Amino acid sequence: EIVLTQSPGTLSLSPGERATLSCRASQSVSSSYLAWYQQKPGQAPRLLIYGASSRATGIPDRFSGSGSGTDFTLTISRLEPEDFAVYYCQQYGSSLSYTFGQGTKLEIK
Amino acid sequence: EVQLVESGGGLVQPGGSLRLSCAASGFTFSSYDMHWVRQATGKGLEWVSAIGTAGDTYYPGSVKGRFTISRENAKNSLYLQMNSLRAGDTAVYYCAREAKPGAGYFDYWGQGTLVTVSS
Repeated sequence: EIVLTQSPGTLSLSPGERATLSCRASQSVSSSYLAWYQQKPGQAPRLLIYGASSRATGIPDRFSGSGSGTDFTLTISRLEPEDFAVYYCQQYGSSLSYTFGQGTKLEIK
Repeated sequence: EVQLVESGGGLVQPGGSLRLSCAASGFTFSSYDMHWVRQATGKGLEWVSAIGTAGDTYYPGSVKGRFTISRENAKNSLYLQMNSLRAGDTAVYYCAREAKPGAGYFDYWGQGTLVTVSS
């Protein structure tokens, strides 16, 4: 089973700053099968990025995804107050398994 | 508008059973693979089960043999039968839609239903 490790665990930044979140896989992941989600307290996760770099419908262009193989990145170019949340990466494996990273909490500094 | 509404959560004793439901609307339910994903309080997300459009089912080792996912397309409904429940199964359970067959990611989620396993 592929394990996804996200770093940092917590990221403290101010509105207007740039956020860079990392997701590292224990084995190579097809870029087609790497997604990112945002979750706010008391809410369900929301799809942000799929296929490593494609924005989901309605997602602002300040969110971008990149990476390949075992290293993937979610970048938020200029943080808005509503962007402070927990972010998860997720992969889909050939053995019909779906795994999530442990999450990165983006908090206001 | 796509909507997924879970129900059926509650308090159950260890070793007990519970059946969750997810009512889908706003899309052609029969055309999508559907999933259950859970989240223990303060923890991350864990995939629990999947069912394809043909009724094929998939589970991780943590629930295989205890949980059964099913669907009733005529009622636009997804189910999760959970047996032999353990304290570690305590979580919010979300139903989620896979964006398209084989996409591997979830584009719509319900609001979740809380399952508490405790004596």
